[in-house]
Amino acid sequence: QVQLVQSGAEVKKPGASVKVSCKASGYTFTKYGISWVRQAPGQGLEWMGWVSGSHGSTNYAQKVQDRVSMTTDTSTSTAYMELRSLTSDDTAVYYCARAVVIMSYYYMDVWGKGTTVTVSS
Amino acid sequence: DIQMTQSPSSLSASVGDRVTITCRASQSISSHLNWYQQKPGEAPKVLIYAASSLQSGVPSRFSGSGSGTDFTLTISSLQPEDFATYYCQQSYSTPTWTFGQGTKVEIK
Repeated sequence: QVQLVQSGAEVKKPGASVKVSCKASGYTFTKYGISWVRQAPGQGLEWMGWVSGSHGSTNYAQKVQDRVSMTTDTSTSTAYMELRSLTSDDTAVYYCARAVVIMSYYYMDVWGKGTTVTVSS
Repeated sequence: DIQMTQSPSSLSASVGDRVTITCRASQSISSHLNWYQQKPGEAPKVLIYAASSLQSGVPSRFSGSGSGTDFTLTISSLQPEDFATYYCQQSYSTPTWTFGQGTKVEIK
């Protein structure tokens, strides 16, 4: 079945970087993009960006665009999200999700279980 | 950026009630509107895409309507497993997307 398996929880100090992985299985990785969404404790969902599964092109939310990099490794069907210069505001659960398109309508149909990133001194 | 505003932020309802959640876009997004359900400790799950298309496997008590700037998610008869938080999300400005702030559906 189609699934996305994310890397484990991380604890980082302010100013550090974190890299979260998202390994896809059950489908052809290069046919779909991967979006990254985060959720701070007790807060709503925040879309962070998107990376193409085929050619690695990206688009980032303005809020994080100066600090984030989203990449893929097609040989292992894995997407990565790296966030730099972490602050306590980056403490959140980070989700990857498959971006599917049907008749020009995009949505996220399969989600990883999430990776908890805690930023604390 | 396109802003999405949901109302209400929370509501209390009983099993069997008809529940309606509204989402408004800051500009026209045609029918590029999706609805997700999230339960505590779980990842979101898509319910409706393209404003009114039911995702495979989702119960038919869920329905979506609207186009342009105003959209609605309706649960025709609320079930115990439907108590959750619901989010709308626009995909008009692909690949830059935004979510509404969420609507928490609680037990009355």
